[in-house]
Amino acid sequence: EPEVTQTPSHQVTQMGQEVILRCVPISNHLYFYWYRQILGQKVEFLVSFYNNEISEKSEIFDDQFSVERPDGSNFTLKIRSTKLEDSAMYFCASSEGTSGNEQFFGPGTRLTVL
Amino acid sequence: AQRVTQPEKLLSVFKGAPVELKCNYSYSGSPELFWYVQYSRQRLQLLLRHISRESIKGFTADLNKGETSFHLKKPFAQEEDSAMYYCAGETSGSRLTFGEGTQLTVNP
Repeated sequence: EPEVTQTPSHQVTQMGQEVILRCVPISNHLYFYWYRQILGQKVEFLVSFYNNEISEKSEIFDDQFSVERPDGSNFTLKIRSTKLEDSAMYFCASSEGTSGNEQFFGPGTRLTVL
Repeated sequence: AQRVTQPEKLLSVFKGAPVELKCNYSYSGSPELFWYVQYSRQRLQLLLRHISRESIKGFTADLNKGETSFHLKKPFAQEEDSAMYYCAGETSGSRLTFGEGTQLTVNP
């Protein structure tokens, strides 16, 4: 069964450094998402992406964040200058459509900012 | 603002007992509502959605618009049901808004 994959599983970085989190969505899906979960807190929406552009973003998704689909398979989340409070589990998800369609989640990347 | 709340962080029941995980929502319009589950060391996965009105692994959830609730129920809990359960609502833009999650433990 096709699955969303994410790399790396764990990323440790120094404050102020740039990180890129990678995701490979399910191949026939058209909608892509990033969520994050700070330890002990809710899973929070960051951004959704469709047809090579951002369709919606949350207030968390400020200028430090960007997303890209650099080729036909990868979907990346870049954090330009990491802060301590960016430490979280980052989940990628994809879906065939919107409005009631199941979002399939990846296993997550744990980002630790020191 | 769209909001989903799960009042219980932890819920513990014995095998064979009924279980109900509570979820309340605050949405304008008609939300799409889901239950996602995360078993130990596994990824988040969809358990069920209100639009399908289905029963998965013996779980059901009914949307109660009057009480703005979408509680998850199972008449006889099994040990393999132990997991983290998240209620989530979807806006028109497909953004999922998650509740805090309820850790269900089913004791033998």
